[in-house]
Amino acid sequence: DTAVSQTPKYLVTQMGNDKSIKCEQNLGHDTMYWYKQDSKKFLKIMFSYNNKELIINETVPNRFSPKSPDKAHLNLHINSLELGDSAVYFCASSQPLASGRTGEQFFGPGTRLTVL
Amino acid sequence: EDQVTQSPEALRLQEGESSSLNCSYTVSGLRGLFWYRQDPGKGPEFLFTLYSAGEEKEKERLKATLTKKESFLHITAPKPEDSATYLCAVRGSNYKLTFGKGTLLTVNP
Repeated sequence: DTAVSQTPKYLVTQMGNDKSIKCEQNLGHDTMYWYKQDSKKFLKIMFSYNNKELIINETVPNRFSPKSPDKAHLNLHINSLELGDSAVYFCASSQPLASGRTGEQFFGPGTRLTVL
Repeated sequence: EDQVTQSPEALRLQEGESSSLNCSYTVSGLRGLFWYRQDPGKGPEFLFTLYSAGEEKEKERLKATLTKKESFLHITAPKPEDSATYLCAVRGSNYKLTFGKGTLLTVNP
C-alpha cells in the first residue's frame, strides 16, 4: 500500500538516552515533515525537508536532529531525552502544486514516545 | 504569525442531528486551508483543501466552506462513526502548516 510509515510505533526509554524514529513515504512526494503532538493533542510542526534540504526549522532544542538520506526518508534523532519530550511524533509528506498552492499532507501513524 | 482557532472544543450530537464546526484563522498569504479527521491513536486523515473564499467541498455527510476569515465544516445527519477529532490547518506564505487545537466530536446512537 502507498503510505507514510513510521517505526517504532511505541518507544519507552529512560531520561538521558538517545533514540531515533524512522519515517518512510512511498507516495513520491518531495517534502517531508516532523510534527509533535503534546498531551493536549496540539499538533505543532518541528521540521520540514524538501528534496533532502531543510526548509523549516522551528524553535526546537538542539537535541533534536532530523536526517534525510533521500527524499523518501526522514529520520528524527533525539539526544539526551528529557521527561518533556514525551509526546506523539508524526511524520508527514506532501507535494507542491502549481500556482504556489500546496497539496495536502499525508500523515504517518505516529510514534508514542514515553520518557521515564 | 499564522493563527487558527477552532470552536467548540467539544461537541456532542445525537445521531442525525446536523451541526457545524468553526475554524477562524489569520494567515499571511493563504496557500490552503485544510480539514483533517483524527481518530484516537492514529495520524490525521486528510478530508478537504480549500484555497479561496467562496469555495466549497463535499464528501459524504461533510461539507467544508471558506470565507476570508473562517471555515466551517458542516456535518449533515451524522452517524456514530463520524465521532473523531476534527482538525483545521492553514498554510501561509511561510510554507508552514499551522493547526488549530481541534474539535472533539461525539455522535451518540
